[in-house]
Amino acid sequence: EVQLLESGGGLLQSGESLRLSCAASGLTFTNYGMNWVRQAPGKGLEWVSTISSTGGTTFYADSVKGRFTISRDTSKSTLYLQMNSLRADDTAVYYCVAGGNDCAYWGQGTLVTVSS
Amino acid sequence: DVVMTQSPLSLPVTLGQPASISCRSSQSLVHSNGNIYLNWFQQRPGQSPRRLIYKVSNRDSGVPDRFSGSGSGTDFTLKISRVEAEDVGVYYCMQGTYWPRNTFGQGTKLEIK
Repeated sequence: EVQLLESGGGLLQSGESLRLSCAASGLTFTNYGMNWVRQAPGKGLEWVSTISSTGGTTFYADSVKGRFTISRDTSKSTLYLQMNSLRADDTAVYYCVAGGNDCAYWGQGTLVTVSS
Repeated sequence: DVVMTQSPLSLPVTLGQPASISCRSSQSLVHSNGNIYLNWFQQRPGQSPRRLIYKVSNRDSGVPDRFSGSGSGTDFTLKISRVEAEDVGVYYCMQGTYWPRNTFGQGTKLEIK
């Protein structure tokens, strides 16, 4: 069974930093492009960032470019999202998602709340 | 970015009756490899999204056969042949043709009348 377990969420002040982690199991981690997708309270789904299966290529939504950094550690089968200069509109549940074109597997999400 | 537009946004349905959700893309979703990366997700209340359908019409393992997907080009549909209580939630379409800039529809909230 595929499991994606996010951690690292919390309550912060505007301008602070946070790192999210996602531990993957039940799948061959190196076969999957990995994504972060977020959902603001009561809102829809928004793609945030993607990293290729090799880790060699990364992509970001315009709303987070220059502030967020995605990375992966193959030896730990873990995905990360470093979030700097956080703003109130970054408040959301952040989901770790495995798969590129198809977003096959989703974690349970971790809540990030940014207070202004 | 490709814009995905769902309708309706709210869908009240009587138990046992069919339901249909439309999803339209602002550009063709036919990939250069010939595939169409149009996916459907279900998000039950308080849960994370779960993929139901991939590449237009392929059901994921464990998804009841009352769910079906169809479409081509820019127009796609998710159908539920007979709605059950466990189908309550929000349904999203998502295009992955233009990966990594995947985009989602606004979501359709299905509720029981």
